[in-house]
Amino acid sequence: AQSVSQHNHHVILSEAASLELGCNYSYGGTVNLFWYVQYPGQHLQLLLKYFSGDPLVKGIKGFEAEFIKSKFSFNLRKPSVQWSDTAEYFCAVNPLSGNTPLVFGKGTRLSVIA
Amino acid sequence: KAGVTQTPRYLIKTRGQQVTLSCSPISGHRSVSWYQQTPGQGLQFLFEYFSETQRNKGNFPGRFSGRQFSNSRSEMNVSTLELGDSALYLCASSRDSSSSYNSPLHFGNGTRLTVT
Repeated sequence: AQSVSQHNHHVILSEAASLELGCNYSYGGTVNLFWYVQYPGQHLQLLLKYFSGDPLVKGIKGFEAEFIKSKFSFNLRKPSVQWSDTAEYFCAVNPLSGNTPLVFGKGTRLSVIA
Repeated sequence: KAGVTQTPRYLIKTRGQQVTLSCSPISGHRSVSWYQQTPGQGLQFLFEYFSETQRNKGNFPGRFSGRQFSNSRSEMNVSTLELGDSALYLCASSRDSSSSYNSPLHFGNGTRLTVT
């Protein structure tokens, strides 16, 4: 079965530190890739997505992610985090062949401290 | 444009009871997916409905069921509740079905179910 791995369960950073959250998936075919974010008390919302083209995609709030096909990875990055980035981040993969739903990783909780 | 609406926001039930959760998708969206969110397990897919037909089902027991109406609204039912069913149940809608996610999922705020 396809799976999505987020290696960091909880990341704690100081403000202005750089962020990289890892995401790897096991599916070998063509995929759509997503990062969702869930701020405290709020609903999940889309941060960015990759369908095709430039493997470096930019999302909202200064986030970006790079798709590396050879590594089956879609890591999320931000050069300088803010306290308001404190949230839970979910990587999700949609394999495009077969009738397969969106598969989520278990999430990474980011805590940004002043 | 109104977002995805889930009702109720909170539910407390006892073991053995059954529960029905409701989801109204964004206008024009025909796909509704349900996920169970628990700490440490993340989001686990329950099922997806598209144009009143179940398109996909996750690895949950038959106690979990759902349906979709002609106006795309969806309900999820859990019978014979167990303590382990305590979770946040999320509904998400999208324009397309899961086989062609060119439009991303839009999530509701969820229904927090507590089973005692």
